[in-house]
Amino acid sequence: QVKLQQSGAELVKPGASVKLSCKTSGYTFSTSYMSWFKQIPGQSIEWIGMIYAGDGGTGYNQKFKGKATLTVDTSSSTAYMDLSSLTTEDSAVYFCARPHWEGYFDYWGQGVMVTVSS
Amino acid sequence: DTVLTQSPALAVSPGERVTISCRASESVSTGMHWYQQKPGQQPKLLIYGASNLESGVPARFSGSGSGTDFTLTIDPVEADDTATYFCQQSWNDPFTFGSGTKLEIK
Repeated sequence: QVKLQQSGAELVKPGASVKLSCKTSGYTFSTSYMSWFKQIPGQSIEWIGMIYAGDGGTGYNQKFKGKATLTVDTSSSTAYMDLSSLTTEDSAVYFCARPHWEGYFDYWGQGVMVTVSS
Repeated sequence: DTVLTQSPALAVSPGERVTISCRASESVSTGMHWYQQKPGQQPKLLIYGASNLESGVPARFSGSGSGTDFTLTIDPVEADDTATYFCQQSWNDPFTFGSGTKLEIK
């Protein structure tokens, strides 16, 4: 069965960077896309961007350009998201999810809490 | 960006019928999808393409609409349906989500 397993919670200092991972199994990662999302607890969900594992091609929500960088490692079927120059406004739960070509997301990781605090 | 507007909260009794609405600021055709999210969990896909039931989701859930106005219906509601429900559009870039409707079962 399809699984997306995200890395553990992160506590990082303002100005630092963090790299989140999303390890997949149960489907052909190398010919699939992966998306990432941000959700501040109690609030809505924001789409950050998408990456195609076949060639590393990316598309970003303009709001997150310069903040998030998406990469993949097809040898381990893992997607990554780097978040840079972190501020307290980046404190949130981040999810990875597999997109269907029609633009909905049928499998989600469990989410990872990133807390930015000095 | 396409703004999706949802009513913030609803409270219903078990066995009742509930409709959750989502209005888009511009047309999204049938590129509207619905998710259920329980506290501390990831979203779960319920409906895709405005009216298609995701595999494994109970037939109590249904969706309708096109253009700018969409509804998610749960009939009958069960206690386990307590959750926040989000709509999401995929017709316009970037993908956007509604603010969520918190459903309480009395």
